[in-house]
Amino acid sequence: DSGVTQTPKHLITATGQRVTLRCSPRSGDLSVYWYQQSLDQGLQFLIQYYNGEERAKGNILERFSAQQFPDLHSELNLSSLELGDSALYFCASSVGRVTNEKLFFGSGTQLSVL
Amino acid sequence: KNEVEQSPQNLTAQEGEFITINCSYSVGISALHWLQQHPGGGIVSLFMLSSGKKKHGRLIATINIQEKHSSLHITASHPRDSAVYICAVRPDTGNQFYFGTGTSLTVIP
Repeated sequence: DSGVTQTPKHLITATGQRVTLRCSPRSGDLSVYWYQQSLDQGLQFLIQYYNGEERAKGNILERFSAQQFPDLHSELNLSSLELGDSALYFCASSVGRVTNEKLFFGSGTQLSVL
Repeated sequence: KNEVEQSPQNLTAQEGEFITINCSYSVGISALHWLQQHPGGGIVSLFMLSSGKKKHGRLIATINIQEKHSSLHITASHPRDSAVYICAVRPDTGNQFYFGTGTSLTVIP
């Protein structure tokens, strides 16, 4: 058990809908990262938050947004969903904000857009 | 353009064999991560390297910064090592992550 909690584990929705994925980092970790894993593109980095502030941005679509709350949990919002958004979404956490820290991954949310 | 290349893509080994998975990258990095993803989908971070060599049990990871290359070695492989192994790098400029496409390892008893 990594200590990172993601909910829900599975999500099935329709095109055009909006969903929210939730991540609670390990106790004491200030950084949260979001990743997307699809069959055709592999793992991709979406965004990182550190102590409530956006720290780094990767290949995140404009239809997607994220935030980190004062209690350090994070939410990834996906809107106007398309079939191609079907993927496994992981969050990870680390202690601080530097780039050479070990990552702890949640078990992922499997999103299916029908 | 792939900033991270892994080889081989697929690997089948007999139990007990010594295994090497390679990762080459094209950018300057501040850190390189080796990740393990089991068939159930969960990801575990095995190593984070910025230089040299690290060892944990039967796993050894090395990195050569000058050659932009890292290797993950598994000694005395076991069927429970069957998983996808993914190399990821953090560039030394910006805060991106670049991932390799993974190496699928199957260890046969």
